[in-house]
Amino acid sequence: DIVMTQSPDSLAVSLGERATINCKSSQSVLYSSNNKNYIAWYQQKPGQPPKLLINWASTRESGVPDRFSGSGSGTDFTLTISSLQAEDVAVYYCQQYYSNPYTFGQGTKLEIK
Amino acid sequence: EVQLVESGGGLVQPGGSLRLSCAASGFTFRSYWMHWVRQAPGKGLVWVSRINSDGSSTSYADSVKGRFTISRDNAENTLYLQMNSLRAEDTAVYYCVRAAAGFDYWGQGTLVTVSS
Repeated sequence: DIVMTQSPDSLAVSLGERATINCKSSQSVLYSSNNKNYIAWYQQKPGQPPKLLINWASTRESGVPDRFSGSGSGTDFTLTISSLQAEDVAVYYCQQYYSNPYTFGQGTKLEIK
Repeated sequence: EVQLVESGGGLVQPGGSLRLSCAASGFTFRSYWMHWVRQAPGKGLVWVSRINSDGSSTSYADSVKGRFTISRDNAENTLYLQMNSLRAEDTAVYYCVRAAAGFDYWGQGTLVTVSS
């Protein structure tokens, strides 16, 4: 199984500042035949189901604000929120959909400082 | 509008069974792989099971293999999860999820509580 490890477990950032969440996979999730990284990022607010923010490691879903960006390749990935807004307070998860089982990171709780 | 509506959760004793359902609408259900993901209270997301678009292929997390069965009825646009031999550690909100380059649509979830 591919193990997904996020860092940090929690993060407090001031409004308007940058937030960075890291995700490392235990093996590469880059599929050589299409050069795509099978990584997704989700946002989960209290009492709500997760929401897909980014797939293919860096492609924003329709309607997701452009302050959210994803980067990385192979085994190391990053979710960046360029200017934190109050509504971004949530738990963020990375996930690999490269192979069964489709494992998630443990989550990163993002709060306002 | 894509909608996924789970039902069938509730309180069950250890060793008991439950069948979860997920009614899908707003998209061509038969064209998508579907998954179940669960989340224990206050914990993270755990993938449980998936089924391909025509129901001919399934896979399961090791923790539920042999106890849970995923199935679908493409004529009724419904996904199922039959859960047998339930344990306390199966207590969680169970989400029905559509797969398309990641998990792009999630239901609101249904709570399963396994307790005596």
